[in-house]
Amino acid sequence: DQQVKQNSPSLSVQEGRISILNCDYTNSMFDYFLWYKKYPAEGPTFLISISSIKDKNEDGRFTVFLNKSAKHLSLHIVPSQPGDSAVYFCAAENTGGFKTIFGAGTRLFVKA
Amino acid sequence: ETGVTQSPTHLIKTRGQQVTLRCSSQSGHNTVSWYQQALGQGPQFIFQYYREEENGRGNFPPRFSGLQFPNYSSELNVNALELDDSALYLCASSLRREFINEQFFGPGTRLTVL
Repeated sequence: DQQVKQNSPSLSVQEGRISILNCDYTNSMFDYFLWYKKYPAEGPTFLISISSIKDKNEDGRFTVFLNKSAKHLSLHIVPSQPGDSAVYFCAAENTGGFKTIFGAGTRLFVKA
Repeated sequence: ETGVTQSPTHLIKTRGQQVTLRCSSQSGHNTVSWYQQALGQGPQFIFQYYREEENGRGNFPPRFSGLQFPNYSSELNVNALELDDSALYLCASSLRREFINEQFFGPGTRLTVL
């Protein structure tokens, strides 16, 4: 039972344009959401997070939007850069719990 | 400040054997979690250790076991290896705080079971 779903295995975007990566979740107990980025031969690195009490969190070129009623979140990257090419994982947690649930990831290609 | 390190980088074992993977946490972190990442999948939570005690476990059989040492380094042991255990094994350390759990991942150990 996949509690966190990333339905797009890959996404290709032109440099300078917006990248939008989507994520859906099924467990209403999740109250904290994170995005991790992974380059080949490296572990995932934390990118940005959002608490369920917010609907938007912004950090430079990266913005995460949360729609709790739809159980949906998205990561916007503006403007996209070739160095952003990586696999992006959406993850969810229940505050005070111990387990982080990851989606299957979306591979982003940013073309120069 | 050193990051999370894992050893070995790659490992090849045969079915039925046992394997031990090692992880050194980031300095100051007292929590370590282990994940299994199969090809094309996201990391799947195996278990977490906090101050040398198992703090939670995912849906993995008992042949997956772990240890955390006083210096907060950690081991993952897998007995009676099966072909499906072939995966990238990631460890992640964190400074456990009440409201966030930003984790710092190591580069992983690639295990191949033949």
